[in-house]
Amino acid sequence: GENVEQHPSTLSVQEGDSAVIKCTYSDSASNYFPWYKQELGKRPQLIIDIRSNVGEKKDQRIAVTLNKTAKHFSLHITETQPEDSAVYFCAASRSNDYKLSFGAGTTVTVRA
Amino acid sequence: KAGVTQTPRYLIKTRGQQVTLSCSPISGHRSVSWYQQTPGQGLQFLFEYFSETQRNKGNFPGRFSGRQFSNSRSEMNVSTLELGDSALYLCASSFSGATGNTIYFGEGSWLTVV
Repeated sequence: GENVEQHPSTLSVQEGDSAVIKCTYSDSASNYFPWYKQELGKRPQLIIDIRSNVGEKKDQRIAVTLNKTAKHFSLHITETQPEDSAVYFCAASRSNDYKLSFGAGTTVTVRA
Repeated sequence: KAGVTQTPRYLIKTRGQQVTLSCSPISGHRSVSWYQQTPGQGLQFLFEYFSETQRNKGNFPGRFSGRQFSNSRSEMNVSTLELGDSALYLCASSFSGATGNTIYFGEGSWLTVV
């Protein structure tokens, strides 16, 4: 089955700096890569996703890049704010599978 | 549109009991999947239903089961509860758009087994 590895497990950044989280996957057939943000006690919230037909996608301060050859994808958050503090999960699946394989999560802390 | 709705939100059960959790997907979504989230194991896929049929199943024992009704609402059941079943159980609702599937989570049901 799919194995998704996520690094780092914790990340502390100064407000205004950038944060980068990296994930690798094992199943070459995976072609859908969503990122979820989970605040304490709340549900995972989809913040951005990318499909294998594109290499990069951006939504305001958040961007995701995908390298299918190397089987890794990354989340970039620019101009971080205190409300960006949360646990971020990467995931991978095949397009019509509806089964997500998750990374272990990255706890991001933005210092004011 | 209303989001994914899960009930109950919190519950406490005793070892050996069984529990049923309910999920109402986003209107129009026909796929419902379930995940277990624990501090030690992270987010793990339990099973997925589409049009009342289980299409995919994760690596969980047979004590974990589910079903989907004709209105796409889903339930999952855990029998003979163990302490290790204490977790956040998340339901996810999905639709398949022109570019592929997108998956949204409900707020979850917090299960504590004592």
